[in-house]
Amino acid sequence: DVKVTQSSRYLVKRTGEKVFLECVQDMDHENMFWYRQDPGLGLRLIYFSYDVKMKEKGDIPEGYSVSREKKERFSLILESASTNQTSMYLCASSPYYEQYFGPGTRLTVT
Amino acid sequence: AQRVTQPEKLLSVFKGAPVELKCNYSYSGSPELFWYVQYSRQRLQLLLRHISRESIKGFTADLNKGETSFHLKKPFAQEEDSAMYYCALSDSEGTSYGKLTFGQGTILTVHP
Repeated sequence: DVKVTQSSRYLVKRTGEKVFLECVQDMDHENMFWYRQDPGLGLRLIYFSYDVKMKEKGDIPEGYSVSREKKERFSLILESASTNQTSMYLCASSPYYEQYFGPGTRLTVT
Repeated sequence: AQRVTQPEKLLSVFKGAPVELKCNYSYSGSPELFWYVQYSRQRLQLLLRHISRESIKGFTADLNKGETSFHLKKPFAQEEDSAMYYCALSDSEGTSYGKLTFGQGTILTVHP
């Protein structure tokens, strides 16, 4: 079974803090993705990576950065958290077309 | 730019009734389409993929290129089908291989 884990299920941070969300997959997948999930907006792609140290912007990269130093780990960084980044964040990994999702991190920025 | 539209945010049916969740897409290439489902307190997971032409949990979806649609159908809904459903389109060109564009999602509620 593919396992995608995320470092936290719930996270509360203050405005202006630097926030790290970690995602780890155990199936040696090349591709990894970060989405945010908001009611009425669906899933929107923030960043993705198709190889170690490779990254590409998704549809809403502003205010975020990513890091992929090892194949199994893909980190999402909020350089200076803002209240409009309060959301559910989903990580996924994929060998090809099918994406396997983590449980999500619900981030609240106060 | 590619786009996926799910016109219904909410859909309610009674158990045993047919259900159809609508999905329309806009894409200039050859589309690869999927339905993902998220049950309460579970992670998002693949339900079906158009190219495999499988029926999963009684659901089917047919790609209609003329109408650019990929509607999800089930003839007899069950209470356990209640979930959030997302239609997704894969961008298979260039270095965006495997990237998905999701629709807004439809919450299906099946009443007893």
